[in-house]
Order: sequence, then structure tokens, then C-alpha cells
Amino acid sequence: TQLLEQSPQFLSIQEGENLTVYCNSSSVFSSLQWYRQEPGEGPVLLVTVVTGGEVKKLKRLTFQFGDARKDSSLHITAAQPGDTGLYLCAGVSQDRGSTLGRLYFGRGTQLTVWP
Amino acid sequence: EAGVAQSPRYKIIEKRQSVAFWCNPISGHATLYWYQQILGQGPKLLIQFQNNGVVDDSQLPKDRFSAERLKGVDSTLKIQPAKLEDSAVYLCASSPRFYRATNEKLFFGSGTQLSVL
Repeated sequence: TQLLEQSPQFLSIQEGENLTVYCNSSSVFSSLQWYRQEPGEGPVLLVTVVTGGEVKKLKRLTFQFGDARKDSSLHITAAQPGDTGLYLCAGVSQDRGSTLGRLYFGRGTQLTVWP
Repeated sequence: EAGVAQSPRYKIIEKRQSVAFWCNPISGHATLYWYQQILGQGPKLLIQFQNNGVVDDSQLPKDRFSAERLKGVDSTLKIQPAKLEDSAVYLCASSPRFYRATNEKLFFGSGTQLSVL
């Protein structure tokens, strides 16, 4: 059972277009992270959102955490070929009464931006 | 600053053989993780170490997988015997914090791609 559902699974667009990818769950998370993974490499952290409703911007990337802390979205404005990669969301689920949590990854959205 | 180092980069074995992967985390990082990433899926945590102690190995198939982190620095992950479904990329990650705080940052290595034939 996948705790985090990402959509779409694949996205192929032209340079300059805008796009949004989604990360949804029925579970509440302490925080949510977005990573980008390129072929043959490990994931690289882009952002962490902690507060429900939080919006963070990283240049042309805008990340939003849902009010109920169950979902998140990533919006890219004017996509460039360098944005190509696998975008993974990961939710931190913390056991009650413990400082130890677990990071659950979604399956990812494979983005291809054509010049 | 050197990143997380993993070796080998690629490994091809036949089923029922044994294989071992090595990871050297970023210097000073207390926490080390091993993840399994099957093609088309996100990474799945296999085991988490805090220094040289195991914090979470609930998703490690202990009948065939083992891992150790002697001296709290580098780590090895072993599979014995390997099955076809073990074909995946094995990622090592490290983080500086002692516990998984809500804004903890993981640094990943490039992974070892394992093919079991």
C-alpha cells in the first residue's frame, strides 16, 4: 500500500510551459519534503514544508503544504530542460510520544522538459 | 565537503549468490540510512543507524538482509542469498541529527544498482 500518491506519474512538456505535480495521502504528516532525482544519482532535497498551508518558493518552483498536512503540490513556472528529473515527495510520520519518525516516499513524477 | 560515498556502482549476480554494498557517510553525520529503490518506485527504508546502533530495521527482510555500522562511521549492507526481486538501486543516506526531527535533511549517495539474474 502506497502511503503517498503522486500524480501524474509521467509528465512531458515543452520549455516555457507551467506545470503542477501533486502529492496526496490520507495520513497526516509532521512535515513533507520534496526531492529531485536525476538518472544514476540519489535524491537531492529541494524543500521541507512543516506548517499546514505553508508556501515556499525556490526560484521558479513553488511548494505548498495542504492545510490539513495531508497533501502537497509543486508548481514550476516556465519550465526549462534543466528541470528534467524524478520529483519525489516524502512525508515524515512521527510516532506518538517519540522523537523518531519515518520518511515515506511517493513513487515520484518523472518530468521531461523538451527544448 | 565530500558527499556520501557508495561502492560498487553496479553489481550483477545470479540468484542465490551473496552481495555486499559499502557506504561511507558525510564526516560527522550521526545517522545513516539504507534505502531500496525498485524501478518505478520511491525509495523504501531498509534500516536506520544512530551512530553504531540500529534505530529502525522494521522493513529489513532479516532472513536474507543484514547490515552493520561498526565504529559508527561506514556501513555495509549484505544480501544472502539474493532473489530476483532484490534487483534495485540501493541508496545510502546520512544526516547530521541524532533523531529524525521534522526538518531533518538527508544527503544521499549515488547508489549501487543491483541486477539479480
